[in-house]
Amino acid sequence: AQSVAQPEDQVNVAEGNPLTVKCTYSVSGNPYLFWYVQYPNRGLQFLLKYITGDNLVKGSYGFEAEFNKSQTSFHLKKPSALVSDSALYFCAVRPLYSGAGSYQLTFGKGTKLSVIP
Amino acid sequence: KAGVTQTPRYLIKTRGQQVTLSCSPISGHRSVSWYQQTPGQGLQFLFEYFSETQRNKGNFPGRFSGRQFSNSRSEMNVSTLELGDSALYLCASSLGQGPDSPLHFGNGTRLTVT
Repeated sequence: AQSVAQPEDQVNVAEGNPLTVKCTYSVSGNPYLFWYVQYPNRGLQFLLKYITGDNLVKGSYGFEAEFNKSQTSFHLKKPSALVSDSALYFCAVRPLYSGAGSYQLTFGKGTKLSVIP
Repeated sequence: KAGVTQTPRYLIKTRGQQVTLSCSPISGHRSVSWYQQTPGQGLQFLFEYFSETQRNKGNFPGRFSGRQFSNSRSEMNVSTLELGDSALYLCASSLGQGPDSPLHFGNGTRLTVT
């Protein structure tokens, strides 16, 4: 079974500073990895995904994520945080194989990001 | 292109009642998934449908059921509601049928059971 850990419930960062939201995963074989963001009273919005290839993935709104296979991590990063980035961020994993389990996206518990003006 | 539409946005039900939630996917998307979001358990997978077939089901009791219609619209039903069923229910659709296809979520239906 696959699992995702987001070790920080909350991350605070000053506006203009770089931000990192951490994620580690466990899955049989190679993973598909995703980051989503959720604003209050809204659904989740897709930010970026890692399938294969370059370990640094670029996504929406200036976010990027770095895949590290040896550390089984997929940390979300942004060079300069904006107040509008304040939201709940979810890391998610799906196994690479085809089959029933691959249709299930397993999410971490979420990390609340607060960007302080 | 319109996003994923979930109706209703809010529901208040009493223990023991049943409820049906509706989801209209993005046009052209044939895969629909349902998730339950609660503060304690986070996001938990309920089920996934593709072309009217349930391909995967999460670890929820049989009171939770769903279906998908030929136009890809989906419904989720919860019978004999319990207080613990209070949650935000999220529907998501995806274009591809493979696991690399990202999910596009609706804004959810917030169910409150009293």
